[in-house]
Amino acid sequence: SQQGEEDPQALSIQEGENATMNCSYKTSINNLQWYRQNSGRGLVHLILIRSNEREKHSGRLRVTLDTSKKSSSLLITASRAADTASYFCATVPTYGSSNTGKLIFGQGTTLQVKP
Amino acid sequence: EAGVVQSPRYKIIEKKQPVAFWCNPISGHNTLYWYLQNLGQGPELLIRYENEEAVDDSQLPKDRFSAERLKGVDSTLKIQPAELGDSAVYLCASSLMAAGGELFFGEGSRLTVL
Repeated sequence: SQQGEEDPQALSIQEGENATMNCSYKTSINNLQWYRQNSGRGLVHLILIRSNEREKHSGRLRVTLDTSKKSSSLLITASRAADTASYFCATVPTYGSSNTGKLIFGQGTTLQVKP
Repeated sequence: EAGVVQSPRYKIIEKKQPVAFWCNPISGHNTLYWYLQNLGQGPELLIRYENEEAVDDSQLPKDRFSAERLKGVDSTLKIQPAELGDSAVYLCASSLMAAGGELFFGEGSRLTVL
């Protein structure tokens, strides 16, 4: 079952522009993670944000989390052609106060960065 | 440090044939996952192991799919018999944390069932 929904499904921008992807989810979570997947490759972890955090940065990546709206966004600043990939959000739901340990992925956003 | 290793990378079989995928996780990672990824979709969890115990196999179609993780290290995922709808990428991932931490993925095994 899919928990997260990414928006937009596809995004095409010019090199140097910023790219913003959004993720909405349905249940309470322990944390939310973002992954990148280049075509034909495995997924690579980008960043993890815990439910008690609101914003996190890593290099050109900025992630926000709004647990009241059950949503997150990933911002890639000053995009490069090498950022072309699919980006997935993944959530770890909680059941009561327990961490389920499951990592449930959304459908992904396909980002194309044109040189 | 070696990453998660999967084999084979590609497999083409006729329907009703058996197929097996192998995964070697990162050394020291006790948690191992098998995910299925259809084209254009996100990965869907099939089974999660903590050491040699399958702690979540609720989404594994047990009539044709089986998995094992002997000695809590390598893992094998088997499909017997394969159906056309099983064509997908089978991803293995491992994690240092028991629950909900960062996952390290292998390159995946792409299965085509004819």
